[in-house]
Amino acid sequence: DAGVIQSPRHEVTEMGQEVTLRCKPISGHDYLFWYRQTMMRGLELLIYFNNNVPIDDSGMPEDRFSAKMPNASFSTLKIQPSEPRDSAVYFCASSLGRRRGGRQETQYFGPGTRLLVL
Amino acid sequence: AQTVTQSQPEMSVQEAETVTLSCTYDTSENNYYLFWYKQPPSRQMILVIRQEAYKQQNATENRFSVNFQKAAKSFSLKISDSQLGDTAMYFCAFMRGGSYIPTFGRGTSLIVHP
Repeated sequence: DAGVIQSPRHEVTEMGQEVTLRCKPISGHDYLFWYRQTMMRGLELLIYFNNNVPIDDSGMPEDRFSAKMPNASFSTLKIQPSEPRDSAVYFCASSLGRRRGGRQETQYFGPGTRLLVL
Repeated sequence: AQTVTQSQPEMSVQEAETVTLSCTYDTSENNYYLFWYKQPPSRQMILVIRQEAYKQQNATENRFSVNFQKAAKSFSLKISDSQLGDTAMYFCAFMRGGSYIPTFGRGTSLIVHP
């Protein structure tokens, strides 16, 4: 399996611009998670989906942030408008889920998107 | 709420030597999972090792092993025969059974010196 795929790997944009981060989870995984990592706050869970349905978005910092999962193999995290304080590494992760055996709860991370907002 | 504490912000070790990273957690749960993730300079989060709380046997993965002390709520990671490629941030994580949401520690930065 190719693992979790994220694009772009790096993004540099100017304040006020819209930013869209993309994620393809591991095939067959039921859960998808979006995280943000900064030096100050560490690793923060922003939102997670189960079977394409958002379950908990309490970690989404503001209305400027939105996430969608239109199908089992694709999710987006959008920031509009972006601000310099949004600069961080954004990770997508996925896990199998309850119905399957084995290590269903283990999260596998993508390589991350390093976002810099000027 | 569960908390995960990694008391060593930074550690260093000589190549080929052994190093132990500490992790403690606080929970009233009996069914849970514990993880160590490695984050090298590339920033990729890589699963190193995983432990189920109901298993008494300590998990091992090649040069990586854990010392799981359930009563003490301690979950340390031992890296044997350290290699330069082990240089990374190491994160300990706790997950309550059935929750699918881990709680991460703040991380320990490990530097392996040649």
